[in-house]
Amino acid sequence: EVQLVESGGGLVQPGRSLRLSCAASGFTFDDYAMHWVRQAPGKGLEWVSGIIWNSGRIGYADSVKGRFTISRDNAKNSLYLQMNSLRAEDTALYYCAKGGGYSIRENFDYWGQGTLVSVSS
Amino acid sequence: QSVLTQPPSVSGAPGQRVTISCTGSSSNIGAGYDVHWYQQLPGTAPKLLIYGNSSRPSGVPDRFSGSKSGTSASLAITGLQAEDEADYYCQSYDSSLSGPVFGGGTKLTVL
Repeated sequence: EVQLVESGGGLVQPGRSLRLSCAASGFTFDDYAMHWVRQAPGKGLEWVSGIIWNSGRIGYADSVKGRFTISRDNAKNSLYLQMNSLRAEDTALYYCAKGGGYSIRENFDYWGQGTLVSVSS
Repeated sequence: QSVLTQPPSVSGAPGQRVTISCTGSSSNIGAGYDVHWYQQLPGTAPKLLIYGNSSRPSGVPDRFSGSKSGTSASLAITGLQAEDEADYYCQSYDSSLSGPVFGGGTKLTVL
């Protein structure tokens, strides 16, 4: 059974940093692209960042480019999101999602339950 | 403003058929990238409903079907049930943005 468990969310002041983690199990982690997708309160889904199996290709939404860094550790079956210079508009539930294949162009076939990030002074 | 356009809401009575449209452009759906659909029940994480325009993952009832034509795609739900009440999102890939994109979501109400 595929499981994705996010952690690291919390309340943080504007301009500060936070690091999210996603622990994956139930599949061969290094065969698939992985993603972060967020959902602001009462709003729709927004893709944040994706990384292919060997970290050779990485993509970011324009809204987070230059502030967020995605990474993965295949030995630990883990995905990370380093979030710097946080803004109020980054407040959202952050989902870890498994890609449907090796490319970041594919679907998201499994999702975690999300970790909440609140940016406020 | 989402890259893919969906109606904010649709509704139907139990047993009826509803469709949800998803309109894109020449840099996403029209460029040949697949469309995928997700169902998000209240208070839960999204779940993949349709992938590759019209394929259903194991366990998804055949009441759900997807299609794609030109720069648009559609999700059809037949034999509407109360448990289908949820938010539905379409998703594709955009070559101009170099990343996946979502529609704004459609809230389905079962009357």
